[in-house]
Amino acid sequence: GNSVTQMEGPVTLSEEAFLTINCTYTATGYPSLFWYVQYPGEGLQLLLKATKADDKGSNKGFEATYRKETTSFHLEKGSVQVSDSAVYFCALIDTSYGKLTFGQGTILTVHP
Amino acid sequence: GAGVSQSPSNKVTEKGKDVELRCDPISGHTALYWYRQSLGQGLEFLIYFQGNSAPDKSGLPSDRFSAERTGGSVSTLTIQRTQQEDSAVYLCASSGGTGGMQPQHFGDGTRLSIL
Repeated sequence: GNSVTQMEGPVTLSEEAFLTINCTYTATGYPSLFWYVQYPGEGLQLLLKATKADDKGSNKGFEATYRKETTSFHLEKGSVQVSDSAVYFCALIDTSYGKLTFGQGTILTVHP
Repeated sequence: GAGVSQSPSNKVTEKGKDVELRCDPISGHTALYWYRQSLGQGLEFLIYFQGNSAPDKSGLPSDRFSAERTGGSVSTLTIQRTQQEDSAVYLCASSGGTGGMQPQHFGDGTRLSIL
């Protein structure tokens, strides 16, 4: 079956540091890949997505590139802010009907 | 409404009681999903609706769990004879289509606590 593996957290950074959260997946076929974010006290929000190999999703300064050869979708941001503190979830969709399979989530804390 | 609405936002109940959780999807969204977020298990898929039918119920953890959707809109997730391991945040999401082309929009969830 499908699965998503994220790097172990929590991740603690200083403001303006570079962020990478690793994500790898196992799936049959060609899934669509997503990063969702959950800010403290809020619901899950779609951060970015990529639907085919070599696509780059981007939003709010975050980027992730769909790498089919390494089955990866690592999340990066060049300069994090305190307001980026949240839980980040990597996920994939089996394109047959849209069921999301999530990674375990990575807690990010950014200090001033 | 503007987004997916779930009610109640919090529910505390005694072990053995039945609970009903409600989800109002975004108007016009045909696909509706229930997920569960719990410590140690992460985010797990429970059930998927397309219109009023449920082609995939594979994530429901036991026969104490059931869900229905009426009028292609509101969905109710029912847990009978609740157990402490049912404590979790139950999330609902809706989408304008299936597959990866239409993103899923999530509600804020119902936090269920079983005493």
